[in-house]
Amino acid sequence: AQKITQTQPGMFVQEKEAVTLDCTYDTSDPSYGLFWYKQPSSGEMIFLIYQGSYDQQNATEGRYSLNFQKARKSANLVISASQLGDSAMYFCAMREGRGGSYDKVIFGPGTSLSVIP
Amino acid sequence: DAGVIQSPRHEVTEMGQEVTLRCKPISGHNSLFWYRQTMMRGLELLIYFNNNVPIDDSGMPEDRFSAKMPNASFSTLKIQPSEPRDSAVYFCASSPTSGGPREDTQYFGPGTRLTVL
Repeated sequence: AQKITQTQPGMFVQEKEAVTLDCTYDTSDPSYGLFWYKQPSSGEMIFLIYQGSYDQQNATEGRYSLNFQKARKSANLVISASQLGDSAMYFCAMREGRGGSYDKVIFGPGTSLSVIP
Repeated sequence: DAGVIQSPRHEVTEMGQEVTLRCKPISGHNSLFWYRQTMMRGLELLIYFNNNVPIDDSGMPEDRFSAKMPNASFSTLKIQPSEPRDSAVYFCASSPTSGGPREDTQYFGPGTRLTVL
């Protein structure tokens, strides 16, 4: 069974607009972490933002914020004021457990975002 | 600070040849991960090490693949003999894994694009 689902294979957004990339996850572990990574066409994987399952507030990092809805098991990434440089693949990932050397991180299939000038 | 370093960045080889990919993790990080990325299968975890010890190699596709981490600053992924279906981008990532959730964030190297003819 898919642990991480990203239902939008491709998305378009107008420059300067906000965009939401969807991510749902499946776990029975009460303790887990959620990550978003960006992969531009150059290929590198860039860490964007982290949300812990016990965090009381939604994570924010500059123009990135995570809309964390625990009951719905969703962790959508919101990018505000889109820029041309935001065009990339975006991966949602989850780590189960409280952290430590034995926890794997599982990646979703990714969403391709294209920012239109 | 230097990020994760991988070499070579590109490798083209012929079927049957041995291929060795190299990785230097971020100094002070004690977990290291090898991933493979293809269009068909996405990002797959092959193996990960903690404190130079292989913890989980269940993602290694078959006996042709082997990985070592002789010390805290160096790891290799070897494919012998290589096959065309091994063509992919291979990423190395490292994390601090000090026990806290944010410390488990994985930081990726630039990847090695492998083509097996």
